[in-house]
Amino acid sequence: GENVEQHPSTLSVQEGDSAVIKCTYSDSASNYFPWYKQELGKRPQLIIDIRSNVGEKKDQRIAVTLNKTAKHFSLHITETQPEDSAVYFCAASPGFGNEKLTFGTGTRLTIIP
Amino acid sequence: GAGVSQSPRYKVAKRGQDVALRCDPISGHVSLFWYQQALGQGPEFLTYFQNEAQLDKSGLPSDRFFAERPEGSVSTLKIQRTQQEDSAVYLCASCGTSGSTDTQYFGPGTRLTVL
Repeated sequence: GENVEQHPSTLSVQEGDSAVIKCTYSDSASNYFPWYKQELGKRPQLIIDIRSNVGEKKDQRIAVTLNKTAKHFSLHITETQPEDSAVYFCAASPGFGNEKLTFGTGTRLTIIP
Repeated sequence: GAGVSQSPRYKVAKRGQDVALRCDPISGHVSLFWYQQALGQGPEFLTYFQNEAQLDKSGLPSDRFFAERPEGSVSTLKIQRTQQEDSAVYLCASCGTSGSTDTQYFGPGTRLTVL
């Protein structure tokens, strides 16, 4: 089955700086790679996703890049703000969103004011 | 519109008790997923429904876990003879069927504590 590894497990960044979180996956059949943000005690919320036919996607301060050959994808957050502090999870799926997701172990991002 | 809802939000059970966790998906969503999230970990897949059909139950950890979705909308996850290792947050997610609606939307979860 699919295995997703995520690094780092914790990340502290000065407000205004950039944060990068990296994930690797094992199953070459995976086609869909969402990123979820989870605040303490809250539900995971989708912040951005990418499909295998695209190498990069950007939404304001958030971007995701995908390297299918190397089987890795990354989340980039620029101009970080205190409200970006949360746990971020990457995930992979063999289909698109309507198939099961395999999640990474999460990255706790702390923005230092 | 209303998002995915789950009830109860918190459940405390004594070891050996049976519990039932409910999920109300987004109206019209065909696909429904259950995940288990242990403290400090990412969600792990349990089972998946498309309408009332349970298409994948490969993630259920034992035969004490049972899920159903009899009318293709509300789903219930039942855990029989709960054990301490069952303590976790149980998340439900629902998803549309095509195009840009294939994002999985999560509910707030049910935090189960087994004493």
